[in-house]
Amino acid sequence: RKEVEQDPGPFNVPEGATVAFNCTYSNSASQSFFWYRQDCRKEPKLLMSVYSSGNEDGRFTAQLNRASQYISLLIRDSKLSDSATYLCVVNRVVYGQNFVFGPGTRLSVLP
Amino acid sequence: DVKVTQSSRYLVKRTGEKVFLECVQDMDHENMFWYRQDPGLGLRLIYFSYDVKMKEKGDIPEGYSVSREKKERFSLILESASTNQTSMYLCASRGEALTAKNIQYFGAGTRLSVL
Repeated sequence: RKEVEQDPGPFNVPEGATVAFNCTYSNSASQSFFWYRQDCRKEPKLLMSVYSSGNEDGRFTAQLNRASQYISLLIRDSKLSDSATYLCVVNRVVYGQNFVFGPGTRLSVLP
Repeated sequence: DVKVTQSSRYLVKRTGEKVFLECVQDMDHENMFWYRQDPGLGLRLIYFSYDVKMKEKGDIPEGYSVSREKKERFSLILESASTNQTSMYLCASRGEALTAKNIQYFGAGTRLSVL
């Protein structure tokens, strides 16, 4: 089983739609979770951290389910500018605490 | 504003050349990383360093080495470049784990072509 798995997409949605991405991770001892966003031919940038109780940042909501080892990202009222690849990130529980990046889910928001 | 700077955006090298990719961060971060990113394979960790002069192998270290002589600088070295090392290389830095600084920041990337 891969350490971090995501819906491969692509997701093509109209402006204003609500879209949800799912991510599963294999190591139950992981403690740090993030969503990163990567625009075409650019570097990944932090979108939001994911906290145990779930958290919201404007139109974006992240949820964590430790029992199922599952993370989600919900985007409401999609904008054209939300078109990007969304990467699920989980810490690897070894010395150095490096991060494992999922393969990403590509989103295209259409006018 | 945080900054991770990679020395080159684009590089073209020939097979067998020694290649140096440089990365500098200005956030006083302990941890620095080198990844490569290829279509369909995502981000793969090559090497990382958690302190000056310390280095650890990542998932795909073969054909690469690294150097961290100063805290702010982490260099990736391709001892003898090969065509299968053509890729986008991304440097990243991160503060202490399990703290508010546990956010990873990336440089803009170096697109390396080996001919």
